[in-house]
Amino acid sequence: GQQLNQSPQSMFIQEGEDVSMNCTSSSIFNTWLWYKQEPGEGPVLLIALYKAGELTSNGRLTAQFGITRKDSFLNISASIPSDVGIYFCAGHKAGGTSYGKLTFGQGTILTVHP
Amino acid sequence: DAGVIQSPRHEVTEMGQEVTLRCKPISGHDYLFWYRQTMMRGLELLIYFNNNVPIDDSGMPEDRFSAKMPNASFSTLKIQPSEPRDSAVYFCASSFGTFHQPQHFGDGTRLSIL
Repeated sequence: GQQLNQSPQSMFIQEGEDVSMNCTSSSIFNTWLWYKQEPGEGPVLLIALYKAGELTSNGRLTAQFGITRKDSFLNISASIPSDVGIYFCAGHKAGGTSYGKLTFGQGTILTVHP
Repeated sequence: DAGVIQSPRHEVTEMGQEVTLRCKPISGHDYLFWYRQTMMRGLELLIYFNNNVPIDDSGMPEDRFSAKMPNASFSTLKIQPSEPRDSAVYFCASSFGTFHQPQHFGDGTRLSIL
């Protein structure tokens, strides 16, 4: 089962507001990825993080790889209606038999009111 | 560039019938993953291949599920016999390289077993 705790589960915001969501785990991760899924489509990669402390931006999106390697956050600035969707964090766990496998969070459902 | 291509996009069939889902990974990608997504359980990894060889099938729920990858550009996921509880969205994803590269998802097959 999933071993990433993603929060919040859902967010209802007004257009123009900033959004913040995060993922935590008791395990160490080698990579953190953030995906967005829209209805009827597969998850689309937004940002990939490979080093502890790394801060990466993609337009209005910013994500960070936590120093402890056990957490990551995603911020969306100045939200717009097309930001609506489900945002998933995912990561590759360090060591063990998890090579190549991604662990996913439960997802954050984002609703943006115009 | 063509992304991961899945077919069919939708499948509705009666319980007991055989179901075959198809996936064409991104050209040059050497990892292929099959996932199942439901509201209750989120995204679950079923099986993944590296260079056409199954590496980990521990997520395959039962012997009714089987997956093959006869060549680098094609994979199938088969359910026989199908049951109503198999109803879900099935995603295929692919990635390139040896270590912790992001996975790219297809748009999924929405499967309904009546």
